[in-house]
Amino acid sequence: KQEVTQIPAALSVPEGENLVLNCSFTDSAIYNLQWFRQDPGKGLTSLLLIQSSQREQTSGRLNASLDKSSGRSTLYIAASQPGDSATYLCAVAQGGSEKLVFGKGMKLTVNP
Amino acid sequence: NAGVMQNPRHLVRRRGQEARLRCSPMKGHSHVYWYRQLPEEGLKFMVYLQKENIIDESGMPKERFSAEFPKEGPSILRIQQVVRGDSAAYFCASSPGAGGSGETQYFGPGTRLLVL
Repeated sequence: KQEVTQIPAALSVPEGENLVLNCSFTDSAIYNLQWFRQDPGKGLTSLLLIQSSQREQTSGRLNASLDKSSGRSTLYIAASQPGDSATYLCAVAQGGSEKLVFGKGMKLTVNP
Repeated sequence: NAGVMQNPRHLVRRRGQEARLRCSPMKGHSHVYWYRQLPEEGLKFMVYLQKENIIDESGMPKERFSAEFPKEGPSILRIQQVVRGDSAAYFCASSPGAGGSGETQYFGPGTRLLVL
């Protein structure tokens, strides 16, 4: 059974710091891994999707990497801003199934 | 191109009542997924549907919950005889269904159900 873990559950940092968010998964048989952002009371916004054959994806100040063999992904946020404050969710698309398996998320607070 | 639409956005029910949650996928999408987010928990998969077919309902509670995606109209998640433990945010996602696995799923804003 696939399990996705995000540690720590919460992080508070001053503005301007470069951040690394971690995600680990137990079963390496995945189609892809996706990072989402969720603002309080809102839905999910997809940030980056990495196919299982890829090593990383970049969008603006965000960079996500995938090491399938070790079951790890990292989301790198450069020069963090207060507007980055949100909960970040990691999810894997499990091989042989269409469902996404989510971590519990990491609540990020960037202080001005 | 409108995104995934869900309504209502907020729903309040008393114990024992029925809750009906609706999801309209993105235009051109034929696959729909429902997820539930309990307080302080991650999202959990409930059911995956294609038009008129339930493909995977492995995450659905065995009783009181049902889902459909008719040929015409939105997908419906129905919860009968709601209990307080059903209070959660219910998210719908859709994907094109153009072929191949692991398609990107696009999420709606969710329906927040509160059972009194």
